Formats: sequence, C-alpha cells, structure tokens
Amino acid sequence: DQQVKQNSPSLSVQEGRISILNCDYTNSMFDYFLWYKKYPAEGPTFLISISSIKDKNEDGRFTVFLNKSAKHLSLHIVPSQPGDSAVYFCAAGFNYGQNFVFGPGTRLSVLP
Amino acid sequence: DGGITQSPKYLFRKEGQNVTLSCEQNLNHDAMYWYRQDPGQGLRLIYYSQIVNDFQKGDIAEGYSVSREKKESFPLTVTSAQKNPTAFYLCASSLRTDNYGYTFGSGTRLTVV
Repeated sequence: DQQVKQNSPSLSVQEGRISILNCDYTNSMFDYFLWYKKYPAEGPTFLISISSIKDKNEDGRFTVFLNKSAKHLSLHIVPSQPGDSAVYFCAAGFNYGQNFVFGPGTRLSVLP
Repeated sequence: DGGITQSPKYLFRKEGQNVTLSCEQNLNHDAMYWYRQDPGQGLRLIYYSQIVNDFQKGDIAEGYSVSREKKESFPLTVTSAQKNPTAFYLCASSLRTDNYGYTFGSGTRLTVV
C-alpha cells in the first residue's frame, strides 16, 4: 500500500494560470515534506519543502500548503510557465531523518 | 562543482549478466541511496547506506547488491537474479545535518536485451 499518493498522473495547464499538484499521505507521523521536479532522463531536483509546524511555505512562484488533519499537501505554481513542464514528486519523511517515501509523480504540461 | 555523478547514462545488458552502475559524490554527504523509477510507480528504494562499510536493504532489494567502501562511492550491481531489471536507476545522497532532502544524480537507464 502506497504511503504517499499523487492521484493525478498528469495535469495540463495554460501558461500564466495556476498549477495545483496534490499529494496525500497515510502516515500521520510524517513531519517533513518535499517536492521535487524531474525532467526526462535527469535526476529529480529539490524544489521546496515544508515542516509540519507550518501550514504554508512560499518560494517565488512556488507555494506548498500542508493540511495535517487531512494528511494532504499541495504545490501551487503561479504563474505557470512552459519551463515548468516536468514530473513533480512529493516526498514525505521525518525532520532531519532520511529515507523519504516518494509518491508516483504527476506530469505537468504547461501549454503556451 | 560539487555533485553526484552516475555512469554510464545508458546501459544495455544481456539476460543472465550482472552489471554494475557507478555512483560517485563529492559533496561530503554521509548517506547515499539507490532508487529505481518505473512508470506510474515513482521512486522505489533499493538500498541505502548511512555510513561507510554499512548499508541497508530498501523496499525492493532482491536481485541487487551494493558496497560502500568509500564515503564518495556507492556502486549498485544488478544481478541476473533481478527478474525485471529494465528501468531508470537514480542515485542520491544526503547530509544528515541539513534538511534539504536529497541531491540526485542524473540517472542511468538500464535496458536488458
């Protein structure tokens, strides 16, 4: 059973609009979450993180929201750009721990 | 420039042969990991090592072996016992005292022919 789920395998968004990528987790003990972005044939790169002591973290066009009671987090990209087209992985784990659990990823396509 | 280097980028193997994927990092990271990526399944942990000369099995270790003789290096051997070895393999590393998750290599695509 997957501990981290990303139920949308793909998402298409018009350039300039908001992209919202969702992630759900089952282990309520997870207290640290990360988003990675991955281009084809490349390794994932770190995008943004959030600790369970916060419910929002913002970095430029990227904002991650955490709803601990729902065990849900989301990544908002505003405005979306064609260069944002990639696969986005959500990962969950423990603060200063290792062995994060990754979701299956969501492929985002930003259409010009 | 610090980073993780995986080689080769593409690898072809005949059925029944063992093959070793290289992973080297110069980030002075303590921990290193091997993941496998298959379509629709995200990243699954094969093996990880938190310190030299020590490593632990991940979720899908069967058919794989690793070694950690040096801090910088964590090679993965895909043995003939691995039933479905064709996949994209990612190596990662992390520093235990920071919390930016992992730094990943660029991956190796292994194809069994």
